[in-house]
Amino acid sequence: DGGITQSPKYLFRKEGQNVTLSCEQNLNHDAMYWYRQDPGQGLRLIYYSQIVNDFQKGDIAEGYSVSREKKESFPLTVTSAQKNPTAFYLCASSNRQGVNTEAFFGQGTRLTVV
Amino acid sequence: AQTVTQSQPEMSVQEAETVTLSCTYDTSESDYYLFWYKQPPSRQMILVIRQEAYKQQNATENRFSVNFQKAAKSFSLKISDSQLGDAAMYFCAYRSAIPSGATNKLIFGTGTLLAVQP
Repeated sequence: DGGITQSPKYLFRKEGQNVTLSCEQNLNHDAMYWYRQDPGQGLRLIYYSQIVNDFQKGDIAEGYSVSREKKESFPLTVTSAQKNPTAFYLCASSNRQGVNTEAFFGQGTRLTVV
Repeated sequence: AQTVTQSQPEMSVQEAETVTLSCTYDTSESDYYLFWYKQPPSRQMILVIRQEAYKQQNATENRFSVNFQKAAKSFSLKISDSQLGDAAMYFCAYRSAIPSGATNKLIFGTGTLLAVQP
Protein backbone atom coordinates (compact mmCIF):
# COMPACT_ATOMS: atom_id res chain seq x y z
CA ASP A 1 0.00 0.00 0.00
CA GLY A 2 1.25 3.48 -0.82
CA GLY A 3 1.49 5.90 2.01
CA ILE A 4 3.55 7.95 4.37
CA THR A 5 4.97 6.52 7.58
CA GLN A 6 6.16 8.38 10.64
CA SER A 7 8.03 6.81 13.50
CA PRO A 8 8.00 6.58 16.39
CA LYS A 9 4.42 7.37 17.38
CA TYR A 10 5.52 8.57 20.82
CA LEU A 11 8.92 9.96 21.71
CA PHE A 12 10.34 11.17 24.99
CA ARG A 13 13.37 13.41 25.15
CA LYS A 14 15.46 14.62 28.01
CA GLU A 15 16.33 18.27 28.05
CA GLY A 16 19.54 18.97 26.16
CA GLN A 17 19.22 15.97 23.87
CA ASN A 18 18.76 15.92 20.13
CA VAL A 19 16.14 13.56 18.73
CA THR A 20 15.30 12.57 15.17
CA LEU A 21 11.81 11.91 13.86
CA SER A 22 11.51 9.64 10.87
CA CYS A 23 9.30 10.21 7.83
CA GLU A 24 9.21 7.84 4.85
CA GLN A 25 6.92 7.88 1.83
CA ASN A 26 6.43 5.48 -1.08
CA LEU A 27 4.10 7.70 -3.07
CA ASN A 28 6.88 8.94 -5.40
CA HIS A 29 6.16 12.49 -4.28
CA ASP A 30 8.76 15.18 -4.87
CA ALA A 31 7.67 17.50 -2.07
CA MET A 32 7.78 16.74 1.64
CA TYR A 33 6.89 18.87 4.63
CA TRP A 34 7.18 18.96 8.41
CA TYR A 35 4.51 20.65 10.49
CA ARG A 36 4.21 21.27 14.19
CA GLN A 37 0.79 21.24 15.83
CA ASP A 38 0.07 22.93 19.15
CA PRO A 39 -3.37 23.39 20.71
CA GLY A 40 -5.15 26.43 19.30
CA GLN A 41 -2.45 27.20 16.75
CA GLY A 42 -3.24 24.88 13.88
CA LEU A 43 -0.36 23.54 11.82
CA ARG A 44 2.80 25.56 11.50
CA LEU A 45 5.39 24.78 8.85
CA ILE A 46 8.87 23.90 10.09
CA TYR A 47 10.71 22.86 6.92
CA TYR A 48 9.81 21.74 3.44
CA SER A 49 11.62 20.15 0.53
CA GLN A 50 10.61 20.36 -3.11
CA ILE A 51 13.31 18.05 -4.42
CA VAL A 52 16.10 15.78 -3.25
CA ASN A 53 19.10 17.56 -1.70
CA ASP A 54 17.17 20.80 -1.33
CA PHE A 55 15.03 22.13 1.49
CA GLN A 56 13.69 25.45 2.71
CA LYS A 57 12.92 26.91 6.12
CA GLY A 58 9.31 27.31 7.04
CA ASP A 59 7.80 29.68 9.57
CA ILE A 60 9.29 28.13 12.72
CA ALA A 61 12.59 26.51 11.66
CA GLU A 62 14.69 27.65 14.62
CA GLY A 63 15.90 24.72 16.69
CA TYR A 64 15.16 22.17 13.97
CA SER A 65 17.17 20.62 11.14
CA VAL A 66 16.34 18.35 8.23
CA SER A 67 17.99 16.43 5.41
CA ARG A 68 16.69 15.14 2.09
CA GLU A 69 19.25 12.67 0.80
CA LYS A 70 16.63 10.35 -0.70
CA LYS A 71 13.33 11.12 -2.36
CA GLU A 72 11.53 8.79 0.04
CA SER A 73 12.91 10.14 3.28
CA PHE A 74 12.76 13.47 5.11
CA PRO A 75 13.92 13.11 8.74
CA LEU A 76 13.50 15.94 11.21
CA THR A 77 15.97 16.53 14.03
CA VAL A 78 14.79 18.46 17.05
CA THR A 79 17.89 19.97 18.56
CA SER A 80 18.60 21.15 22.07
CA ALA A 81 18.25 24.70 20.74
CA GLN A 82 14.50 24.22 20.42
CA LYS A 83 13.25 25.70 23.68
CA ASN A 84 9.77 24.24 23.70
CA PRO A 85 9.80 21.02 21.67
CA THR A 86 6.85 19.29 23.29
CA ALA A 87 4.27 19.08 20.49
CA PHE A 88 2.65 16.88 17.89
CA TYR A 89 4.66 16.65 14.66
CA LEU A 90 3.16 15.82 11.30
CA CYS A 91 4.99 14.91 8.12
CA ALA A 92 3.34 15.27 4.71
CA SER A 93 4.15 14.76 1.07
CA SER A 94 2.65 15.90 -2.21
CA ASN A 95 3.28 16.29 -5.91
CA ARG A 96 4.99 19.56 -6.71
CA GLN A 97 2.51 20.62 -9.35
CA GLY A 98 -0.43 19.39 -11.32
CA VAL A 99 -3.97 18.51 -10.48
CA ASN A 100 -3.34 16.11 -7.62
CA THR A 101 -1.64 18.56 -5.34
CA GLU A 102 -3.22 17.62 -2.06
CA ALA A 103 -0.88 16.60 0.72
CA PHE A 104 -0.90 13.16 2.27
CA PHE A 105 -0.07 13.01 5.95
CA GLY A 106 1.57 10.52 8.24
CA GLN A 107 0.00 9.56 11.54
CA GLY A 108 2.21 11.91 13.51
CA THR A 109 4.76 11.74 16.31
CA ARG A 110 4.01 13.02 19.78
CA LEU A 111 7.23 14.41 21.29
CA THR A 112 7.43 15.05 25.01
CA VAL A 113 10.33 16.56 26.89
CA VAL A 114 10.85 14.97 30.30
CA ALA B 1 2.27 36.43 2.00
CA GLN B 2 -0.77 34.23 1.89
CA THR B 3 -2.88 33.75 5.00
CA VAL B 4 -5.82 31.54 5.89
CA THR B 5 -8.32 32.51 8.58
CA GLN B 6 -10.89 30.33 10.31
CA SER B 7 -12.90 32.55 12.63
CA GLN B 8 -14.92 29.80 14.34
CA PRO B 9 -12.79 27.96 16.92
CA GLU B 10 -15.71 25.64 17.79
CA MET B 11 -19.02 24.67 16.23
CA SER B 12 -21.78 22.29 17.20
CA VAL B 13 -24.45 20.58 15.13
CA GLN B 14 -27.24 18.12 15.78
CA GLU B 15 -27.02 14.75 14.12
CA ALA B 16 -28.71 14.78 10.67
CA GLU B 17 -28.60 18.57 10.50
CA THR B 18 -26.47 20.80 8.27
CA VAL B 19 -23.53 22.91 9.39
CA THR B 20 -21.30 25.38 7.58
CA LEU B 21 -17.69 26.05 8.53
CA SER B 22 -16.16 29.35 7.43
CA CYS B 23 -12.78 30.05 5.89
CA THR B 24 -11.33 33.18 4.35
CA TYR B 25 -7.94 33.63 2.78
CA ASP B 26 -5.75 36.39 1.49
CA THR B 27 -3.62 36.13 -1.64
CA SER B 28 -2.53 38.17 -4.61
CA GLU B 29 -2.29 35.09 -6.81
CA SER B 30 -4.95 34.18 -9.34
CA ASP B 31 -4.32 30.45 -9.54
CA TYR B 32 -4.29 28.29 -6.45
CA TYR B 33 -5.86 25.33 -4.69
CA LEU B 34 -7.99 25.26 -1.58
CA PHE B 35 -8.55 22.27 0.67
CA TRP B 36 -10.53 21.16 3.68
CA TYR B 37 -8.86 18.58 5.90
CA LYS B 38 -10.46 16.65 8.75
CA GLN B 39 -8.51 15.61 11.85
CA PRO B 40 -10.45 13.17 14.06
CA PRO B 41 -9.31 12.25 17.58
CA SER B 42 -6.83 9.78 16.06
CA ARG B 43 -5.05 12.91 14.73
CA GLN B 44 -4.75 11.44 11.23
CA MET B 45 -5.23 14.24 8.68
CA ILE B 46 -7.78 13.27 6.05
CA LEU B 47 -8.54 15.23 2.90
CA VAL B 48 -12.23 16.08 2.74
CA ILE B 49 -12.53 18.16 -0.40
CA ARG B 50 -10.44 20.16 -2.88
CA GLN B 51 -11.21 23.20 -5.04
CA GLU B 52 -9.18 24.55 -7.94
CA ALA B 53 -9.41 28.34 -8.11
CA TYR B 54 -9.84 28.39 -11.89
CA LYS B 55 -13.01 26.32 -11.61
CA GLN B 56 -16.19 28.28 -10.98
CA GLN B 57 -18.18 25.20 -10.06
CA ASN B 58 -18.21 24.41 -6.37
CA ALA B 59 -16.69 21.06 -5.45
CA THR B 60 -18.83 18.37 -3.84
CA GLU B 61 -17.98 15.02 -2.25
CA ASN B 62 -21.05 13.14 -1.07
CA ARG B 63 -22.35 15.03 2.00
CA PHE B 64 -19.57 17.63 1.81
CA SER B 65 -19.72 20.68 -0.44
CA VAL B 66 -18.03 24.03 -0.61
CA ASN B 67 -19.15 27.56 -1.35
CA PHE B 68 -16.20 29.09 -3.17
CA GLN B 69 -16.41 32.85 -3.61
CA LYS B 70 -13.20 33.88 -5.37
CA ALA B 71 -13.80 37.61 -5.37
CA ALA B 72 -14.61 37.57 -1.67
CA LYS B 73 -11.76 35.11 -0.97
CA SER B 74 -14.12 32.87 0.91
CA PHE B 75 -14.18 29.07 1.01
CA SER B 76 -16.79 27.62 3.34
CA LEU B 77 -17.50 23.93 3.93
CA LYS B 78 -21.05 22.64 4.23
CA ILE B 79 -21.68 19.28 5.86
CA SER B 80 -25.14 17.90 5.20
CA ASP B 81 -26.88 15.16 7.18
CA SER B 82 -24.22 15.38 9.89
CA GLN B 83 -23.11 12.10 11.42
CA LEU B 84 -21.40 11.32 14.72
CA GLY B 85 -18.29 10.36 12.77
CA ASP B 86 -18.02 13.89 11.41
CA ALA B 87 -16.93 15.14 14.82
CA ALA B 88 -13.37 16.33 14.33
CA MET B 89 -11.11 19.34 13.89
CA TYR B 90 -11.47 20.80 10.40
CA PHE B 91 -8.68 22.73 8.74
CA CYS B 92 -8.87 24.96 5.71
CA ALA B 93 -5.68 25.12 3.63
CA TYR B 94 -4.28 27.08 0.69
CA ARG B 95 -1.64 26.15 -1.85
CA SER B 96 -0.25 28.14 -4.74
CA ALA B 97 -0.59 26.64 -8.20
CA ILE B 98 2.57 28.30 -9.48
CA PRO B 99 4.79 25.47 -10.77
CA SER B 100 8.08 25.06 -8.95
CA GLY B 101 7.36 28.12 -6.89
CA ALA B 102 8.64 28.59 -3.38
CA THR B 103 5.05 29.06 -2.33
CA ASN B 104 4.08 25.48 -3.12
CA LYS B 105 3.77 24.85 0.59
CA LEU B 106 0.39 24.29 2.20
CA ILE B 107 -0.80 27.12 4.43
CA PHE B 108 -3.31 26.16 7.11
CA GLY B 109 -5.89 27.99 9.15
CA THR B 110 -6.11 27.46 12.90
CA GLY B 111 -8.96 24.98 12.63
CA THR B 112 -12.58 24.61 13.72
CA LEU B 113 -13.52 21.94 16.25
CA LEU B 114 -16.86 20.43 15.24
CA ALA B 115 -19.00 18.60 17.78
CA VAL B 116 -21.93 16.48 16.64
CA GLN B 117 -24.75 16.06 19.15
CA PRO B 118 -26.85 12.88 19.04
